[in-house]
Amino acid sequence: EGQLEESGGGLVQPGGSLRLSCAASGFSFGAYSMNWVRQAPGKGLEWVSDIRSNGIGTTYADSVKGRFTISRDNAKNSLYLQMNSLRVDDTAVYYCVKDARWAFDIWGQGTMVTVSS
Amino acid sequence: QSALTQPPSASGSPGQSVTISCTETSSDVDNYNFVSWYQQHPGKAPKLLIYEVTKRPSGVPDRFSGSKSGNTASLTVSGLQAEDEADYYCTSYAGAYTWVFGGGTKLTVL
Repeated sequence: EGQLEESGGGLVQPGGSLRLSCAASGFSFGAYSMNWVRQAPGKGLEWVSDIRSNGIGTTYADSVKGRFTISRDNAKNSLYLQMNSLRVDDTAVYYCVKDARWAFDIWGQGTMVTVSS
Repeated sequence: QSALTQPPSASGSPGQSVTISCTETSSDVDNYNFVSWYQQHPGKAPKLLIYEVTKRPSGVPDRFSGSKSGNTASLTVSGLQAEDEADYYCTSYAGAYTWVFGGGTKLTVL
């Protein structure tokens, strides 16, 4: 079974930027769509973004559209999330998630992003 | 606003069965059968329990089962155990490579 490991979280001021990374192992990374899902402190899960296996097709939740960019490097088995114009309500644990059989079957441990002045 | 509505809480005693509902309130998702369920213990990442409404990944106990009737999907946990106490989330594919999550249900084992 595969594994996902996120990195890049931290504290950033409102309006700032941050780039999250996710390293995949144990499965054929390039064969699957990948997603980012976030969870604000004490709140539920929120789907953020999807990228197709070839890296060409991407979709975003309305809450992040125009500010976040998802990308991937299949040669490096890596997924990324570039987050710009960060807002206080973007504060959350961000999970890297593998999509298979129209469900999220592998989750990383998450990386915390805190947006605060 | 979430297009999937879950009860905020549910409870049951050890050995009992509990059913958690997930009602689709948006016409964007009610034509899809790609409903999945996740279990999340405090401080941990979610874990896939059920996919495509009724299917269980290998390693998930058969005490967990899924069903759907009309616009409501359900997760049933039979033979409740203390370790089943967790948050449970449903999600549905909403088309065009977008997804929607339910608000989550906190299951308490009494």
